[in-house]
Amino acid sequence: AQSVSQHNHHVILSEAASLELGCNYSYGGTVNLFWYVQYPGQHLQLLLKYFSGDPLVKGIKGFEAEFIKSKFSFNLRKPSVQWSDTAEYFCAVNVGSGGYQKVTFGTGTKLQVIP
Amino acid sequence: DTAVSQTPKYLVTQMGNDKSIKCEQNLGHDTMYWYKQDSKKFLKIMFSYNNKELIINETVPNRFSPKSPDKAHLNLHINSLELGDSAVYFCASSQEAWGEGRNEQFFGPGTRLTVL
Repeated sequence: AQSVSQHNHHVILSEAASLELGCNYSYGGTVNLFWYVQYPGQHLQLLLKYFSGDPLVKGIKGFEAEFIKSKFSFNLRKPSVQWSDTAEYFCAVNVGSGGYQKVTFGTGTKLQVIP
Repeated sequence: DTAVSQTPKYLVTQMGNDKSIKCEQNLGHDTMYWYKQDSKKFLKIMFSYNNKELIINETVPNRFSPKSPDKAHLNLHINSLELGDSAVYFCASSQEAWGEGRNEQFFGPGTRLTVL
């Protein structure tokens, strides 16, 4: 079974600082990777996703993530954070097994951006 | 136009009571899910339905009974509520249940359940 780990549980940054949130998964086969964001009091929404091709994917609001297969990683980055980026960020993996799909979420990283 | 909606948004109740949460999606998706998010924000799948049929049941106590009257609706009924059931429950939907696993999930706004 697949698993996802997010090492940073709580990150505090000042506005304009650069962000990198770690995500590692464990699964030996083909994976589909997602980052979701949950703003305070809101539902989860998709930031970006990776299936195949260019390992650097761009998402909404200036976020990007890089898939490094050899490291089983899919880290999320943003060059300059804003106060409005304060939220909980979830990495998720879904394996391409062809059977019934089940998304496994990481434990989330709380990002707090200080003005 | 809300894609995935849930009611109620907040639910406060006493231990031992029975309660229901309703979910509806207007995206035309075949698959719907219930997730439980605990106080540490950990998100864990509980159930998945595809076109009204249960396909995933993740070791959830049988006090929790999902029901899908049609593929646009997935309700969650909880019997004999316990303190540990306090959490935020999210409904979600995706286009299909199987295949390559590339489908994004669309989440509802969540129902914050507090059991006293």
